[in-house]
Amino acid sequence: GAVVSQHPSWVICKSGTSVKIECRSLDFQATTMFWYRQFPKQSLMLMATSNEGSKATYEQGVEKDKFLINHASLTLSTLTVTSAHPEDSSFYICSSGGLAGATYEQYFGPGTRLTVT
Amino acid sequence: AQKITQTQPGMFVQEKEAVTLDCTYDTSDQSYGLFWYKQPSSGEMIFLIYQGSYDEQNATEGRYSLNFQKARKSANLVISASQLGDSAMYFCAMRAFISSGSARQLTFGSGTQLTVLP
Repeated sequence: GAVVSQHPSWVICKSGTSVKIECRSLDFQATTMFWYRQFPKQSLMLMATSNEGSKATYEQGVEKDKFLINHASLTLSTLTVTSAHPEDSSFYICSSGGLAGATYEQYFGPGTRLTVT
Repeated sequence: AQKITQTQPGMFVQEKEAVTLDCTYDTSDQSYGLFWYKQPSSGEMIFLIYQGSYDEQNATEGRYSLNFQKARKSANLVISASQLGDSAMYFCAMRAFISSGSARQLTFGSGTQLTVLP
């Protein structure tokens, strides 16, 4: 099946710094990417939807100035956590979008574990 | 709006026995899909099984089967002959299908932590 990669797989950063997470679709063109956040022992919560060449759509309660999403090409979407704080420590997962009418064409990246000290 | 409910935060099963993980959903969409994912401690999301809202037969994939009861809005996952490697978090999810337009996101339940005992 299709492969989605994420880089880095884990990162530790100091409070106040910014971290960029890359999500790449390796063998298909992803016009839509979803970014999820998962706290320990909890479910995946959708943060934003990014569409290639346009601005991301953020879910209610997600600060768009803090979580910058760029989807400049059909194979790359990036999430930048700006001025990170310890409460931003979480597991971030990207996922390609399934097309309308498609079945289970939803491919997940392996996730990025962010720890802010 | 869509909502997925998983009422079992944790489940235990003896190795080689079958186990049912519960999932109920609520949606106003006429066409939708139901999914089950397995998430081991590594964090990767592993797709297990899919059921379309108009599929008349329950989906099966190897040891996994989905008990779909549309009138009750339930989509329980049945794992037969449990193995130690089945110990993981299991998420039920759904996605609405639209006739045209962009892709839709998955809505996840809170998950069930399954532990298989030797």
